[in-house]
Amino acid sequence: DAKTTQPPSMDCAEGRAANLPCNHSTISGNEYVYWYRQIHSQGPQYIIHGLKNNETNEMASLIITEDRKSSTLILPHATLRDTAVYYCIVLSGGYNKLIFGAGTRLAVHP
Amino acid sequence: DVKVTQSSRYLVKRTGEKVFLECVQDMDHENMFWYRQDPGLGLRLIYFSYDVKMKEKGDIPEGYSVSREKKERFSLILESASTNQTSMYLCASSITSGRRDEQYFGPGTRLTVT
Repeated sequence: DAKTTQPPSMDCAEGRAANLPCNHSTISGNEYVYWYRQIHSQGPQYIIHGLKNNETNEMASLIITEDRKSSTLILPHATLRDTAVYYCIVLSGGYNKLIFGAGTRLAVHP
Repeated sequence: DVKVTQSSRYLVKRTGEKVFLECVQDMDHENMFWYRQDPGLGLRLIYFSYDVKMKEKGDIPEGYSVSREKKERFSLILESASTNQTSMYLCASSITSGRRDEQYFGPGTRLTVT
């Protein structure tokens, strides 16, 4: 299973872009990168996923490097409600087995 | 919107009691999961199910069992609760469609075993 490395915490000013990095240097060719977040006292929430192309949806953008060894989740205009723990996950084999690491605690401040 | 509901937000049980945690999803998802979340340990998979009456052990199945008699419902059972099972329990569901493995989580049940 590919492992991921994320910074333990980050700060971002409200209204600015939040760029959350993730290293996954042992990712294999058929493994996807998934991002989830968990707001305090709630269950995790799916954000976005990708294989090798950059992806964008209504919540965020995902930039994956050409060698696929790292990625960045971008929240274009962070709000206070984006304060959460963000998890970068590489999907392992079997039936949708997500492996959650420690994640990055993002604090958005006014 | 997908909705995953769990029977209780907070639960307090005594050591040795049998505990049932219920999870229901309303989107006809094939896959359902039970995790526990503990500080410093992240989310750990207990059991999952990819079809009715089917179950697979996750990373930490000891002390737990599961039941999936209907597609929408997945139950986690603690046969004899112990204090080390005090934790936040999270249920999730997902549809298997190609590699579209987005999991939808319920709000969680915080179980305290005294």
